Amino acid sequence: EVQLVESGGGLVQPGGSLRLSCAASGFTFSTYWMHWVRQAPGKGLVWVSHVNNDEERITYADSVKGRFTISRDNAKNTLYLEMNSLRAEDTAVYYCARGGRVTGTSWTIDYWGRGTLVTVSS
Amino acid sequence: QTVVTQEPSLTVSPGGTVTLTCASSTGAVTSGFHPNWFQQKPGQAPRSLIYDTSNKQSWTPARLSGSLLGGKAALTLLGVQPEDEAEYYCLLWYGGVWVFGGGTKLTVL
Repeated sequence: EVQLVESGGGLVQPGGSLRLSCAASGFTFSTYWMHWVRQAPGKGLVWVSHVNNDEERITYADSVKGRFTISRDNAKNTLYLEMNSLRAEDTAVYYCARGGRVTGTSWTIDYWGRGTLVTVSS
Repeated sequence: QTVVTQEPSLTVSPGGTVTLTCASSTGAVTSGFHPNWFQQKPGQAPRSLIYDTSNKQSWTPARLSGSLLGGKAALTLLGVQPEDEAEYYCLLWYGGVWVFGGGTKLTVL
């Protein structure tokens, strides 16, 4: 069974930093694209970033570019999101999600974690 | 600034049929945008329904289908059930980044 479990959320002051983690299990983590998606309270989904299996291909939404860094540790089956210079508008539930196989042809985001809440406030 | 537009809300009667659409500010949506559709119920994580325009996940009900319609991506629900009441999001690929639509709140009434 595919499982994605996020952790690391919490309350942080504006300008602060936070590191989110996503522990993956039930599949061969090292062969899939992985994504971060966020959702502000009462708002819609916003795609944040994705990374391929060997971190050679990484992209970010404009709203987080230069402030957030996605990474992964395939030996630990874990995805990360380092968030710096946090702003009030970064307040959201952050979801980890599995993309398609790196060697495959399916452009999918199929399995999602339950999310972790990040609150940026003084 | 790329914008993906969905109907903000739709209402359908139980047993009815409804089509949700997903438009791109850049022009017609084609298969190259790899449209995905997700369902989200209150307090839950999103659930993938459709990928690559029309491919269903193993858990996607047969009465749901994805297509391209009039330059937009479309999600059609046949024989709507009360449990279909939810927010539905489309997702499009822009050759480097993915962009979600604003979501459609589907009410079954």
